[in-house]
Amino acid sequence: DTAVSQTPKYLVTQMGNDKSIKCEQNLGHDTMYWYKQDSKKFLKIMFSYNNKELIINETVPNRFSPKSPDKAHLNLHINSLELGDSAVYFCASSQARLDYTFGSGTRLTVV
Amino acid sequence: SQQGEEDPQALSIQEGENATMNCSYKTSINNLQWYRQNSGRGLVHLILIRSNEREKHSGRLRVTLDTSKKSSSLLITASRAADTASYFCATLSPRAQGGSEKLVFGKGTKLTVNP
Repeated sequence: DTAVSQTPKYLVTQMGNDKSIKCEQNLGHDTMYWYKQDSKKFLKIMFSYNNKELIINETVPNRFSPKSPDKAHLNLHINSLELGDSAVYFCASSQARLDYTFGSGTRLTVV
Repeated sequence: SQQGEEDPQALSIQEGENATMNCSYKTSINNLQWYRQNSGRGLVHLILIRSNEREKHSGRLRVTLDTSKKSSSLLITASRAADTASYFCATLSPRAQGGSEKLVFGKGTKLTVNP
């Protein structure tokens, strides 16, 4: 069973569209995250939720909106997609910020 | 801002040789973690070392931590072609006032092990 699963794996879309990426973890972890990895492989945290509460909200455009319906799910919705949003987005979860488990990533390409 | 900085940025060695990657960071930490990322794949957690630990082993991996120099190293002994990947260090810093702990990644070292 996949511990942290995110869908879709690949997403190609046109500028201006709205898209969502979903993430689910079956580890019972209390915290979930979204990271963005750019073309230079630099990983940067975007958001973090602890038991459905937003605890980290880095400086990202407000076109990005995370939603956590329960502690096992953290979705990322992106409005009005721009070329610069093209990246790989990773979902992760952790328990007590010790044991981080990452999903396999969603490669978003905006054309 | 970015916390960890790995060096070298790229490392190419022959199978059987040892690979050493270094990581430097700027602020105090609770722990430091190393991750591996195979091309086009997700990150895999390798090893975690706490701020009060100096050395840790896991199989062919050896991690050291020097908090006085704010640096860590990852040694892979007897490397194999399958070790080819990018390796990232990540630091977890204490909770800042009004803030939350977060895991901050370095830029990574791209390791190539030639058969």
